[in-house]
This record gives sequence, structure tokens and C-alpha cells, in this order.
Amino acid sequence: GQQLNQSPQSMFIQEGEDVSMNCTSSSIFNTWLWYKQDPGEGPVLLIALYKAGELTSNGRLTAQFGITRKDSFLNISASIPSDVGIYFCAGIGGGTSYGKLTFGQGTILTVHP
Amino acid sequence: DGGITQSPKYLFRKEGQNVTLSCEQNLNHDAMYWYRQDPGQGLRLIYYSQIVNDFQKGDIAEGYSVSREKKESFPLTVTSAQKNPTAFYLCASSIDLARAYGYTFGSGTRLTVV
Repeated sequence: GQQLNQSPQSMFIQEGEDVSMNCTSSSIFNTWLWYKQDPGEGPVLLIALYKAGELTSNGRLTAQFGITRKDSFLNISASIPSDVGIYFCAGIGGGTSYGKLTFGQGTILTVHP
Repeated sequence: DGGITQSPKYLFRKEGQNVTLSCEQNLNHDAMYWYRQDPGQGLRLIYYSQIVNDFQKGDIAEGYSVSREKKESFPLTVTSAQKNPTAFYLCASSIDLARAYGYTFGSGTRLTVV
């Protein structure tokens, strides 16, 4: 099946620093999504990307849909303690994967005050 | 407020027992999904349903069963055939399969085998 490789697996940063994480795949995806999960809760959608090359911002978050449709990145600027959590990329492909999300392994973000 | 409710939040099961996890949504969504989450891994799809009385196996369906008798409800049964059931289980829904990008997740059920 389709797979997403997300990196880094974890990050330890100081408050105020910028953060960057990315996802790559050997398969083409039609939609890229970025989620944040707080401990013991379900993921919450941060940003959705629908077109190759698309760059979208949501407050301090910026995400891009790669031109090749096989990758995406998420940047968080000026991190704050409440940014702590697990960030997942997810993609929606076509064909037999229609309508189903494939998730990356997640990036665990820790922000030190 | 509309949303997805999963219950219970925590569940303990003895080996060899079947347990059923509840998932209810009042969003009027047609599509519903069950995912399993293990530490250090992404979410893996167990089963999904496009419409009432229809459901399909996901990537890791072995040892699990579902039913979709009502639009609002999509319970997951973890059977004794599931060799390693301890995990965090997430239910999600979307308007339909074509708009899977509009997923709404529940708060999850943590299942522990004792």
C-alpha cells in the first residue's frame, strides 16, 4: 500500500524557535493534510492542500504541497509551549486508495519555555 | 454541538475476551472510519464504511469486526483473534468518501489487555 515517510520523528526546541517537518512518498497524492494531536485526544486538522505547488498559511503555520505531488512540508514559526504535541501528515491518493487517508508516522514536538 | 463521541475512554480487557468500542456521530456524515494508533506509528486503517449496511476492510482488519446498522453509529469489536489489541483506537467520519479531507476525529479509546 501507499506509505508516507515523515521526519523528523521528534524535535526538542526552545520557545520562539521555528520548526520544520516534512513528508515524502514514492506515490502521488491528490491531497495533503497536516494534523496535530494532543495527548489522549484525536487529531485535529491544521491545514489542507489540494493542488501541487500550493502554499497555505494558518496563523503561524505554513504548509506546501510539493510540485511532484510526492511530498509536503509544514513550518511553525515562533513556537510557543502550546505547540507541543504530535504532528501528522496525511495524504489522499487515487485508485484503490480513493477516499482513504494514509498517515505518516508523526513528529513529536516538545517546546521548552 | 455536532461531533463524534467515542466510549469508553479507557477499556481493559482480559485475554480471550471480545470487546466492543462505541462510536457515535451527529454530523450527518455518510462515511465512518476506524483507525488504530501505536506509539511511534501513524494511524492505520482498520475498517471503513461509506454508507449504512456497507463496510470495507482497511489495511489491518484481521481480528476486528464492525457493523453499520445506523448512519450515526459504527461500533468496532476487537475479537480474541486480534493478537496484540493494546492500542489507542480512533473513530472518524467525513461527509462522504469523496470528501475524506473533511475528517472529524473522536477523542479515542485506549484499550489495554490485562
